[in-house]
Amino acid sequence: GQQVMQIPQYQHVQEGEDFTTYCNSSTTLSNIQWYKQRPGGHPVFLIQLVKSGEVKKQKRLTFQFGEAKKNSSLHITATQTTDVGTYFCAGGYSSASKIIFGSGTRLSIRP
Amino acid sequence: NAGVMQNPRHLVRRRGQEARLRCSPMKGHSHVYWYRQLPEEGLKFMVYLQKENIIDESGMPKERFSAEFPKEGPSILRIQQVVRGDSAAYFCASSPRQGLGSNQPQHFGDGTRLSIL
Repeated sequence: GQQVMQIPQYQHVQEGEDFTTYCNSSTTLSNIQWYKQRPGGHPVFLIQLVKSGEVKKQKRLTFQFGEAKKNSSLHITATQTTDVGTYFCAGGYSSASKIIFGSGTRLSIRP
Repeated sequence: NAGVMQNPRHLVRRRGQEARLRCSPMKGHSHVYWYRQLPEEGLKFMVYLQKENIIDESGMPKERFSAEFPKEGPSILRIQQVVRGDSAAYFCASSPRQGLGSNQPQHFGDGTRLSIL
């Protein structure tokens, strides 16, 4: 079945360090979405990637979609305390009409 | 410009009672999704509905849980005879029309925090 694996489960970094979370799918994705959930909040859509090898940037956040469309990453440069939260990837498949969420990576930051 | 509206924000029930969670999607959105989240855990998909249709209920427990999205009014997630293990945050999300492989972003409500005494 379709499954999206996300690692690491937790990441604790010093403020100013970089952070990366990775998503992998066992089968080819048609698209991948990224969401952020602040502590006590609800998931908020960040971005969607559709094309093989696509790279998109939002300020200090860089999103990549693998050439084979089976993996994706989110990289945050020079983390700030406002980056704290859980980052979820969610994969879409050509045979399904709903997205499959990864288990999330919880980012905490030491000031 | 209302987003996804969920109510109540917090719901307390005693074991054996019924819990009804409501979700009004964003204007123009015809697809609704319900997720369950335990503290510090991920989002567990429960059910995906369109108006008057259940599209995918593969994440719904076989007993006590039901969902509907009527032609008029909000989507309802109903939990009968609640047990302590039902305590969780329940999020609703909505999106515009979806197609196979062409997924629109989901917009989430603030969630309902359900506590079972």
